[in-house]
Amino acid sequence: DIQMTQSPTTLSASVGDRVTITCRASQSITRWLAWYQQKPGKAPKLLIFDASSLQRGVPPRFSGSGFGTEFTLTISRLQADDFATYYCHQYNSFSSFGPGTKIEI
Amino acid sequence: QLQLQESGSGLVKPSQILSLTCNVSGGSISGGGYSWNWIRQTPGKGLEWIGNIHHSGTTYYNPSFKSRLTISLDMAKNQFSLKLTSVTAADTALYYCARGKENPFDFWGQGILVTVSS
Repeated sequence: DIQMTQSPTTLSASVGDRVTITCRASQSITRWLAWYQQKPGKAPKLLIFDASSLQRGVPPRFSGSGFGTEFTLTISRLQADDFATYYCHQYNSFSSFGPGTKIEI
Repeated sequence: QLQLQESGSGLVKPSQILSLTCNVSGGSISGGGYSWNWIRQTPGKGLEWIGNIHHSGTTYYNPSFKSRLTISLDMAKNQFSLKLTSVTAADTALYYCARGKENPFDFWGQGILVTVSS
């Protein structure tokens, strides 16, 4: 099965910062990667699919890139609403998720 | 707007069967192009995909659960269900149902907490 890792585990940031989260797969998943945002007590929300496609309704300050085994999620200018935990999800072979990156103040 | 809602027993005894249902509203599960998924979340293992079913009835299960898992579809009720047998404390989790659109999960239920305890 495909293992996913994320770095960093926790990220301290401020409103207006540009932040980048990295996700790595244990083997190539081509572009079959999604990113989700989760807030406490809520279900994950799809932000990016197919590595770089923005889900409808998601602000364009979110962007994704990568191919193969290394991927990034970038938030260009962090807003107060963006403090949350972010997960990557590979769907090249069944599905598996990264352990999450928490963005905190 | 599509909505998913999990229901079922929140407390299950060890070795018994965990049964959950996901009711789908605002759209039909009989349409093609989607998968209907179960995912769980624990503090220790994070998010874990359990398995899914397509409108055709084809199922795909995480190998970690395969021997204990059944996912089924009830098109008349517009819902799908999960049955997990021989549960242990390790199956205590927040269980989500979700729609897969060519695999990413674009709509999720709110989740249901299931505790396995005697």
